[in-house]
Amino acid sequence: AQSVAQPEDQVNVAEGNPLTVKCTYSVSGNPYLFWYVQYPNRGLQFLLKYITGDNLVKGSYGFEAEFNKSQTSFHLKKPSALVSDSALYFCAVRLGTGANNLFFGTGTRLTVIP
Amino acid sequence: GAVVSQHPSWVICKSGTSVKIECRSLDFQATTMFWYRQFPKQSLMLMATSNEGSKATYEQGVEKDKFLINHASLTLSTLTVTSAHPEDSSFYICSALDGGGGFTEAFFGQGTRLTVV
Repeated sequence: AQSVAQPEDQVNVAEGNPLTVKCTYSVSGNPYLFWYVQYPNRGLQFLLKYITGDNLVKGSYGFEAEFNKSQTSFHLKKPSALVSDSALYFCAVRLGTGANNLFFGTGTRLTVIP
Repeated sequence: GAVVSQHPSWVICKSGTSVKIECRSLDFQATTMFWYRQFPKQSLMLMATSNEGSKATYEQGVEKDKFLINHASLTLSTLTVTSAHPEDSSFYICSALDGGGGFTEAFFGQGTRLTVV
């Protein structure tokens, strides 16, 4: 069975500092991994994805994520946090291409402190 | 990226009435759409998978007679909450799969906040 874990419900970071939002996954095959961001009363916005190739993936708004197969992790990172980055972040996994559902983590609320 | 439009963004209805939520893919054709429900401070829970031209596939525990899904065209899926009750109040989000370019990617609507009074 596929699953995604986001071990931290809440992450606080000072503005200008680097941020990391953690995600680990469990799948039986090669994973397709995604990060989405959700602002209050809004749907999900796509940030980045890992399909294949370079383990370091760069996405929207200066975010990046590193796929680590040995640790089954896909942590989201940003070198310098902005107050506007404060939002709810979801990691998701899907097995393969095609019309398959995304499995979401429980979400991590990021608060960037001015 | 592709755009998915969800309407309305919020709705308040009386108990016992029905509410229809629309999910449209604006610039691509979506053979598959998903409907999610999100409770406060929780993750997205998949309710059903909507396939164009066929019956939706519901997840375990989701009442198909209460949450009616219709996917009559490649750009439109609707979710109707029938005989709504206060416990149906929630945030509903749809997503559509864009199969163009060889990889199927999911794009999300902006969500609908339903409040049943």
